[in-house]
Amino acid sequence: QQPVQSPQAVILREGEDAVINCSSSKALYSVHWYRQKHGEAPVFLMILLKGGEQKGHEKISASFNEKKQQSSLYLTASQLSYSGTYFCGTQGGSEKLVFGKGTKLTVNP
Amino acid sequence: DTEVTQTPKHLVMGMTNKKSLKCEQHMGHRAMYWYKQKAKKPPELMFVYSYEKLSINESVPSRFSPECPNSSLLNLHLHALQPEDSALYLCASSPEDSGRDTQYFGPGTRLTVL
Repeated sequence: QQPVQSPQAVILREGEDAVINCSSSKALYSVHWYRQKHGEAPVFLMILLKGGEQKGHEKISASFNEKKQQSSLYLTASQLSYSGTYFCGTQGGSEKLVFGKGTKLTVNP
Repeated sequence: DTEVTQTPKHLVMGMTNKKSLKCEQHMGHRAMYWYKQKAKKPPELMFVYSYEKLSINESVPSRFSPECPNSSLLNLHLHALQPEDSALYLCASSPEDSGRDTQYFGPGTRLTVL
């Protein structure tokens, strides 16, 4: 099942913070976060694994609530370069990675 | 080095043409993937190869034919495509297909079917 992302879109001014949420109706093994700019490929940001292990971008943080099957991506002190569409992808064990519909983030000067 | 390369960057083809997309990685990854992405939509999985064997085919029409000649190379052969197949085709790779590994995406091939 496709995870649900919220909000669908957010507009920030440079320096502001944002939180993007991702939730699933099924038990998750891992949550993957990607950022995609227009016309480019998705770029890996972070992976959160069941059991608490995290790997990813040093300037971006995320949480994973295994009991609630929810993850949140925290973008602090946003920069213009943070603009793009953020996708969460979820996996239950060895199943395929399924992406949410995306959250479009716009950071203005 | 976390680079996945794809060629060509752009491809325009007619509905009767045969063409191929190529993907290459030299990270020693044993899992490789093809995704299709339409405008303003998330990537959708098409195929997964694990240790050079097809492990997942997401009910993709036979006009798309994947091939994994070796552990570094993944091809997608295209034949008799439809205009609705126009999209960005992304290749990705990961160390294993375990659910615990990051998938690294290539830059994609933007396909237009006339």
